[in-house]
Amino acid sequence: DAGVIQSPRHEVTEMGQEVTLRCKPISGHNSLFWYRQTMMRGLELLIYFNNNVPIDDSGMPEDRFSAKMPNASFSTLKIQPSEPRDSAVYFCASSRQGGGNTIYFGEGSWLTVV
Amino acid sequence: GENVEQHPSTLSVQEGDSAVIKCTYSDSASNYFPWYKQELGKRPQLIIDIRSNVGEKKDQRIAVTLNKTAKHFSLHITETQPEDSAVYFCAALGSGNTGKLIFGQGTTLQVKP
Repeated sequence: DAGVIQSPRHEVTEMGQEVTLRCKPISGHNSLFWYRQTMMRGLELLIYFNNNVPIDDSGMPEDRFSAKMPNASFSTLKIQPSEPRDSAVYFCASSRQGGGNTIYFGEGSWLTVV
Repeated sequence: GENVEQHPSTLSVQEGDSAVIKCTYSDSASNYFPWYKQELGKRPQLIIDIRSNVGEKKDQRIAVTLNKTAKHFSLHITETQPEDSAVYFCAALGSGNTGKLIFGQGTTLQVKP
């Protein structure tokens, strides 16, 4: 299995631009998570989906952030407009549905907003 | 809300010594506690986990203990090696069996050769 696949791996963008991060979960996994990692705040859960349905988006920082999962093999996290404080590593992760199943992380998308 | 506290934030040991990292959680309904290791510039990867029906689990040089009454769990690494140097995260599964993991703030472990 290729694991969780994220793109882009690195992105540098100017403040105010739209950023779209993409994720392909592991085949057969029906839970998908978006995490943000910074030195100051550690690993934060932004949103997660079960069977393509958003279950908890309480971690999404503000309306500039949105996430979609149009099908079982694809999800996007969008930031519009981006700000320098959005600079972070964004991890997508997936697992089989239900608590207690191992969550596997992608390689991460390293975002820098200048 | 759900919260996981992790200590210490940094830990430095000599090669061959043991390292212990401790976490406490707030949600008494949590029943799954994984530990992840993250090397510099890499993704977090699961190294060991424990469920609430056991008090201890061991895998070679690493072990995890769980005290549900006190709501804390610990990672123990014995005979540490330089390649154990990384950031370690504990996590607790939120209630509701939804798969939502709450992570601790991480511990940076440095093993000096």
